[in-house]
Amino acid sequence: SQTIHQWPATLVQPVGSPLSLECTVEGTSNPNLYWYRQAAGRGLQLLFYSVGIGQISSEVPQNLSASRPQDRQFILSSKKLLLSDSGFYLCAWGPGTGFYEQYFGPGTRLTVT
Amino acid sequence: AQSVAQPEDQVNVAEGNPLTVKCTYSVSGNPYLFWYVQYPNRGLQFLLKYITGDNLVKGSYGFEAEFNKSQTSFHLKKPSALVSDSALYFCAVLKLHDMRFGAGTRLTVKP
Repeated sequence: SQTIHQWPATLVQPVGSPLSLECTVEGTSNPNLYWYRQAAGRGLQLLFYSVGIGQISSEVPQNLSASRPQDRQFILSSKKLLLSDSGFYLCAWGPGTGFYEQYFGPGTRLTVT
Repeated sequence: AQSVAQPEDQVNVAEGNPLTVKCTYSVSGNPYLFWYVQYPNRGLQFLLKYITGDNLVKGSYGFEAEFNKSQTSFHLKKPSALVSDSALYFCAVLKLHDMRFGAGTRLTVKP
C-alpha cells in the first residue's frame, strides 16, 4: 500500500531563516505531488504541484519554492522566512491526471517567530 | 475557475441523529467532487468522490453524499452520527491538477 511521509512534524523558525520541508511517498511510481498550505485550521491553498522529476508548477507567487529531485520526493523551501509563512503545510500525492483523489501526509506545523 | 462553498462554519448534532454537511459547487463542464475529513493536527483523509453515475455516493465510515446537478450541490450525509465523527470536513472540486477546497465545516456530535 502507499504511504506518504512528511518531516519535520513541527518547526519553529525565526524570521529571515531558511526553510526545508520534505515529503516522500512509498508504494507507487511517478505520482503527482502537491504542496498545500492551511492557515488557521481552515481552507487549503495549493502552492505547487509536480507531474514528474524536475517539473514544478507554481500556483501562487510567494516567498517559497519547490523541487522534485527524485520521483517520490518533494521538497518545499524558502531562503528567508516571513511571519506570514506560518501555517500548516500539507503534502499530497495523486495517481495521475484526471479525476483522482489526492492522499495527504500528516502535515508540518511551521511557526515563524 | 472552479469553486466550492460550504455555507455552514459549524454543524452541531446529537449522537444517533442524522447529519448533513452542505456543499455547493461552481465549475464549467462535468464536476469531479470530493469530501475529506480532518482531525486535529492531522492531514486530510479522503471520504468519497463523485465522478459520474449514481447520484448517491457511498464512502468510508458510513458516510454518503448526494450529487444534485440542478442545485449544484454535493451534501455529505450520515444516517446516525457518532461522537467520533466530530472533525473538520472539507468539500472539494477538481479540474486537472487544481483541487479547490471549501473553507471547511466543523462538525460537533454531542453525546
